[in-house]
Order: sequence, then C-alpha cells, then structure tokens
Amino acid sequence: QITLKESGPTLVKPTQSLTLTCTFSGFSLTTNEEGVGWIRQPPGKALEWLALIYGDDDRRFSPSLQSRLTITRDTFNSQVVLTMTSVDPADTATYFCARRRRLRDGSYTPWISWGLGTLVSVSS
Amino acid sequence: DIQMTQSPSTLSASVGDRVTITCRASQSVGRWLAWYQQQPGKAPKLLIYKASILESGVPSKFSGGGFGTEFTLTINSLQSDDFATYYCQQYNSYPFTFGQGTRLEIQ
Repeated sequence: QITLKESGPTLVKPTQSLTLTCTFSGFSLTTNEEGVGWIRQPPGKALEWLALIYGDDDRRFSPSLQSRLTITRDTFNSQVVLTMTSVDPADTATYFCARRRRLRDGSYTPWISWGLGTLVSVSS
Repeated sequence: DIQMTQSPSTLSASVGDRVTITCRASQSVGRWLAWYQQQPGKAPKLLIYKASILESGVPSKFSGGGFGTEFTLTINSLQSDDFATYYCQQYNSYPFTFGQGTRLEIQ
C-alpha cells in the first residue's frame, strides 16, 4: 500500500524559512522509476506545482519559485524534504506531497498518490 | 509556462445529469493531460491520465477525451458524491500546470 504524509510547522513568520517533510511508504525513491513532488493550494484557490525529485536525484522546480526552493531525498528514512526560504503571507496554503511513477512504456504518470496535506500559515 | 483554462468555472447540475467540463491548453500538450477530483478538505484524486485512460478503481461513468490543446471530462449519471471541484493538469512539460478548477454544484 502506498502512503505519503506531510509534516511541518503550522505557523511560520514572514521572512523565515519553511521546511516540510514528506514521509512515504510502499515504494522506494532510488531510481528514476519514481518521483515525489510538492503541490500547494492556497485557501479557496487552485493547485500549484512547486517541485519534484526523482530517485536518480533529478530535480525540477517551478521557475517562479525556483530561487526559494530546495528539495532533497532521504532514501534511508523514505522522506522528501522541501525547504522554502523568505516566506510571505502569500505562501499560506495547504501543502501536498504526491508520487508519480514510470510506466512500462517509459512514460510517466501524473500525480497518482497524494498525502492528506498540511496547512501552513504565514503570519507575524 | 503552459496555461490551462477550464470552463465553466462553476457548473450547476442535478443528480442523474450528464455534464462535460472543458480544459484548454495555451499550447499543445499532446495527450499528457490528467483530471483530478477534489472534495472539500481532501487531497485531489486522480481520475484520468493520458487524456482518456481511466485510473484504476475509478468508475466508468467518468470519461475523458481530447488531444493537443482541447480536452473534455464527461461525467454520466451524477450522484451526490460527484459534486466536487475538478482540475485538469498538463504534464507534458515543466512546469506542470493546473487549470483553475471547475466547481460542480448541486442545482
């Protein structure tokens, strides 16, 4: 069974850094067959993709946020960590981690498994 | 970035109805288009990928179509748990982008 679970602070002050952890099970992030990404959703708004890391350490970022994001994987603990610097109230959102995987035909799925999400508020 | 535009933004329908949601891409995404359903307070759930392939476990009342820049999601025989927000997403190229969502509400 595939599970993903986000964890991190619920409240962060403006200008601080935000670190979120995605702990997953049921797959391993050790080859390019698997990828874990982060997607966020401000209250009442649409989904926004942030970053993605594959098991071969290939990393991709949203260009609009790339300068503020870092994504790493910890294969021993089955975790993916997202760090966002210089947060602003506009970063208030529910943050989801999600999985994509490579199919037999070599193509990749979209986001096939999701965590429940974690709400992060940015406020002084 | 590829912009994804869904229409309508809100759709009112009744139990038993058939509805169609449209998603347009600002440039071709081939068949690399997914549809998600999101219930309030929940994570999105993948319904369809590669424009028309039903994700495992998703009822056949959901169907998708299209190629390139125009795509549709059709839901037959609406039931109460189908009233939710639906998002399209292109995964043809980075950055992956979502539509703004279509809220399906009970008329």
